[in-house]
Amino acid sequence: AQTVTQSQPEMSVQEAETVTLSCTYDTSENNYYLFWYKQPPSRQMILVIRQEAYKQQNATENRFSVNFQKAAKSFSLKISDSQLGDTAMYFCAFMRRGNMLTFGGGTRLMVKP
Amino acid sequence: GAVVSQHPSWVICKSGTSVKIECRSLDFQATTMFWYRQFPKQSLMLMATSNEGSKATYEQGVEKDKFLINHASLTLSTLTVTSAHPEDSSFYICSAKRLMSTDTQYFGPGTRLTVL
Repeated sequence: AQTVTQSQPEMSVQEAETVTLSCTYDTSENNYYLFWYKQPPSRQMILVIRQEAYKQQNATENRFSVNFQKAAKSFSLKISDSQLGDTAMYFCAFMRRGNMLTFGGGTRLMVKP
Repeated sequence: GAVVSQHPSWVICKSGTSVKIECRSLDFQATTMFWYRQFPKQSLMLMATSNEGSKATYEQGVEKDKFLINHASLTLSTLTVTSAHPEDSSFYICSAKRLMSTDTQYFGPGTRLTVL
């Protein structure tokens, strides 16, 4: 069974600064996908970024980027130029190809003005 | 786009009654839909996987007779909480995967259920 661990229950960052959220996972699979989802106070789950394990290049989406270390089974999310609207719960998730998502426990991020 | 809707967004019911929650993919076809449950300040826990035209697959510990799932079309899955009790109060979220896609799930906005 796969497990996903987010070791930071809460984090805060000043507006316009950079923050990194940690995620580690455990799997014996070689082909899989990793995701970061954002859940703002509205509770709508929003896909932030996805990474395919067979791709060595780290995924980037505007201010969001990941540091994917496959050997270390680490998948951290970096948010640059943090904005107030980034305040939310962030969930790291793992998925084997064609299978279900396994979520981490979440990190609550507060962006301070 | 890939929009998933849920109805109702919130519901309050009396103990012992049944409640149906709908999950619709509005602009794409979804062969697979998933139902999650989320307690306050906790992560999402998968309840069941719903495939169009076949029986749902339930996760360990989830009572299939209590949480009835129907996936009758490529755009609609329903979750019925039967004989609801206060401990069933929770936030229920569905997600859907596109036909011919193997990865990204798109989530509905969730349904808050309160059982009195």
